[in-house]
Amino acid sequence: DAGVIQSPRHEVTEMGQEVTLRCKPISGHNSLFWYRQTMMRGLELLIYFNNNVPIDDSGMPEDRFSAKMPNASFSTLKIQPSEPRDSAVYFCASSRAEHNEQFFGPGTRLTVL
Amino acid sequence: DAKTTQPNSMESNEEEPVHLPCNHSTISGTDYIHWYRQLPSQGPEYVIHGLTSNVNNRMASLAIAEDRKSSTLILHRATLRDAAVYYCILRDVTSGTYKYIFGTGTRLKVLA
Repeated sequence: DAGVIQSPRHEVTEMGQEVTLRCKPISGHNSLFWYRQTMMRGLELLIYFNNNVPIDDSGMPEDRFSAKMPNASFSTLKIQPSEPRDSAVYFCASSRAEHNEQFFGPGTRLTVL
Repeated sequence: DAKTTQPNSMESNEEEPVHLPCNHSTISGTDYIHWYRQLPSQGPEYVIHGLTSNVNNRMASLAIAEDRKSSTLILHRATLRDAAVYYCILRDVTSGTYKYIFGTGTRLKVLA
C-alpha cells in the first residue's frame, strides 16, 4: 500500500493567491483528517470527515479555509485568499474508522510570501 | 479535554531501554491513552494505545499506572531511528468526536 498521498509536497505562493492542497487516503479507510503544524501552535486538527461527510470542523481557522471530500479516495483543503500566517506544514491522515489509529501522509509545506 | 504533561526532552544511549513518562491526572474513565511519534520531516506515526491494562506491540510497551493518572511508553532497545518527538494523547471515545489534541510532546535524542 502506498500510504496516504499528499500533493504538492512543497508550495510557495504569494499573499492573496488561492492554494489547493490534495490528499488521497489509504484505500478502504473511511475517515480522513486535515492537520496543520507550526512552530508556534504545534499540530492542530483542522477538520475531519467520516464516510466523506465533515464531522468536526471546529479547528478550521476562518472562512478563508474550506475542505471537501467528493469521494472516498480524494480530499482537498483550499485557502483563498492565502496569507503569510498560513505558512505551515499541512498533514492529511486517514484511518479505517473514526476510532482507529491514524496514518499520516508526508505533509505539504506551504510558504506564503 | 483532559490534558497530558510530558518532559520537553530526554536523552538515551543507543541499545538501552527508554522510559518516556506522561502525566494525565485529570483522565476520565473513558479516556484512552494514545502514543504517536514524529520523526524529523515526517508525519506522526502511531505507536500504541491502551485503556487500563499494560499493552505490548512490536514497537513498544505501554505501562499504565493503576490509578491511570500516569503512563510510561517503553522502548526496549533504543536505536538511532527512534529519535523523534513522542506525543502522549488522551481521547474520549464517548465524546462524539474522535479528534486528537496533540501537545508539545517529548523530544527524544538517542546517542550513538
